[in-house]
Amino acid sequence: GAGVSQSPRYKVAKRGQDVALRCDPISGHVSLFWYQQALGQGPEFLTYFQNEAQLDKSGLPSDRFFAERPEGSVSTLKIQRTQQEDSAVYLCASSYDRGNEQFFGPGTRLTVL
Amino acid sequence: AQKITQTQPGMFVQEKEAVTLDCTYDTSDQSYGLFWYKQPSSGEMIFLIYQGSYDEQNATEGRYSLNFQKARKSANLVISASQLGDSAMYFCAMREAPGGGGNKLTFGTGTQLKVEL
Repeated sequence: GAGVSQSPRYKVAKRGQDVALRCDPISGHVSLFWYQQALGQGPEFLTYFQNEAQLDKSGLPSDRFFAERPEGSVSTLKIQRTQQEDSAVYLCASSYDRGNEQFFGPGTRLTVL
Repeated sequence: AQKITQTQPGMFVQEKEAVTLDCTYDTSDQSYGLFWYKQPSSGEMIFLIYQGSYDEQNATEGRYSLNFQKARKSANLVISASQLGDSAMYFCAMREAPGGGGNKLTFGTGTQLKVEL
């Protein structure tokens, strides 16, 4: 079946612009995670949803970052007033339930000029 | 303090040889899980192998095995019979006891593996 998909795959934004990154998890997967991967680093946790409920947003670096999953499937990560330090690959992952393996999407590479 | 430490930024191995990628971890939880992911240059994260803290036997998946030494808090990945397609970045990750964050993963900094002819 289809895996996790993310769009766009690449995004270039001017500093100060708002961006929205989309994640389509595997159908039926309850849990959805967003990670941020800076160049040369491992992914770092941003936020977690179980169905439509955002249960943990402790990894969001500032209040410019906002995520939602209103119907418990597709999720959007929004970054307002982008800064250069926001440049990274944003990875989305889903799993069937809390304790299971996470399946990752291909990521969105965000470049802020 | 680093929860996941991968001390090898880069490793080289000859085709058909075995290679060990090191990973140590730090946790006070009794229940946790350890994962290895492969990330080729294309960017996707590919799950390789999983070891639970209560599993008595080392995990194996095809050419991948996990050398789990609980007392030393290490979870090294062993790749046997290396292939050119194994060239990629490898990440060790840990899932601690589920809390508000579900099964969020904490990753190490990765090891870049290059398989040579």
